[in-house]
Amino acid sequence: GAVVSQHPSRVICKSGTSVKIECRSLDFQATTMFWYRQFPKQSLMLMATSNEGSKATYEQGVEKDKFLINHASLTLSTLTVTSAHPEDSSFYICSASASNGDTQYFGPGTRLTVL
Amino acid sequence: AQTVTQSQPEMSVQEAETVTLSCTYDTSENNYYLFWYKQPPSRQMILVIRQEAYKQQNATENRFSVNFQKAAKSFSLKISDSQLGDTAMYFCASFNTNAGKSTFGDGTTLTVKP
Repeated sequence: GAVVSQHPSRVICKSGTSVKIECRSLDFQATTMFWYRQFPKQSLMLMATSNEGSKATYEQGVEKDKFLINHASLTLSTLTVTSAHPEDSSFYICSASASNGDTQYFGPGTRLTVL
Repeated sequence: AQTVTQSQPEMSVQEAETVTLSCTYDTSENNYYLFWYKQPPSRQMILVIRQEAYKQQNATENRFSVNFQKAAKSFSLKISDSQLGDTAMYFCASFNTNAGKSTFGDGTTLTVKP
């Protein structure tokens, strides 16, 4: 199957700092990438959908100025959590698909802890 | 809006036995796809099986098969010959091609007992 990497796998930062998470499709071109947030033992909550070369589409209730998403190429999308606060601590997962309706392949996730 | 319901928060099965996880969904769309994903303790989401809604034939993947009842909007997953490595959280998901995004169920935690 297709491989999606995510970096870093774990990050701890101080409140008020910004954190960037990278999501890469390693062996296919991803026209669409998705960013999710997951709390322990809960489902995935879609934060935003990004298409290469265009602005991300954010879900209702997700602050686009706080969670900056860039999908600069067909293999790379980044999520930047700006001015992080302890309530932003969570597990963030990205996924990528080659075309609309195609299978989403998931990255291994990033555990963010904001002190 | 799409909704996906998994009515079994937790299930258990003995090793080598068969277990069925239920999933129902609601959509007004004609063009959609259905998925089952597995999330083991490592939290890596892994595709288990995929079903195109326009196909009547149930998808199968080795020990995993689905019972897709389109009229009833039901999409259950059957795991045969359960193995210890099948222990994980299983998510049912529906992908709406018009909206271009997936809706996930709340998940079913499956424990395979030796």
